[in-house]
Amino acid sequence: DGGITQSPKYLFRKEGQNVTLSCEQNLNHDAMYWYRQDPGQGLRLIYYSQIVNDFQKGDIAEGYSVSREKKESFPLTVTSAQKNPTAFYLCASSTRLRGEQFFGPGTRLTVL
Amino acid sequence: AQTVTQSQPEMSVQEAETVTLSCTYDTSESNYYLFWYKQPPSRQMILVIRQEAYKQQNATENRFSVNFQKAAKSFSLKISDSQLGDTAMYFCACTGNQFYFGTGTSLTVIP
Repeated sequence: DGGITQSPKYLFRKEGQNVTLSCEQNLNHDAMYWYRQDPGQGLRLIYYSQIVNDFQKGDIAEGYSVSREKKESFPLTVTSAQKNPTAFYLCASSTRLRGEQFFGPGTRLTVL
Repeated sequence: AQTVTQSQPEMSVQEAETVTLSCTYDTSESNYYLFWYKQPPSRQMILVIRQEAYKQQNATENRFSVNFQKAAKSFSLKISDSQLGDTAMYFCACTGNQFYFGTGTSLTVIP
């Protein structure tokens, strides 16, 4: 079955630690995205990538980093510089930058 | 800058009735797409319906339809014959140089 997977579903982190969230897709999509969702604030774009080895900052990129070494994978690292990382993180992909986006099931990150 | 506004944070509807969710947007793009996504309690985002801005005809998907008013930059979602499974957060989105989402409307279908 084609789709997007995110792992883990729940993640706990101590303050000061970096953590990496996984996102994999087998839809052969060129574009991939990371969003952060907080209560009452909808989805906010962190980073996006249109092609391998290229990515752009979204509206709230500070404290996050990404890589796009393979078309299928777009991992997100939440660094210790992110001041309030507790949130729900969604990964998405699309055939092209403005196309319909397909979403993964999300990762809930909690900083202890 | 592009913005998407959903002015109804919460709504409720009786089962089998019809409900309309509002969305307005602002974009300088001439070619753009509009979407409604549903996020049930599982938090999985699901595409409900899509509208190409260059098409005048309103999109329809089974019980879901839109009222697209391009000049007014309005894109409302109508759900007919509401079902309990329609209970979810609904997000309006507009494409430009990236996707822009509204803050969502929480819809509760009452049995």
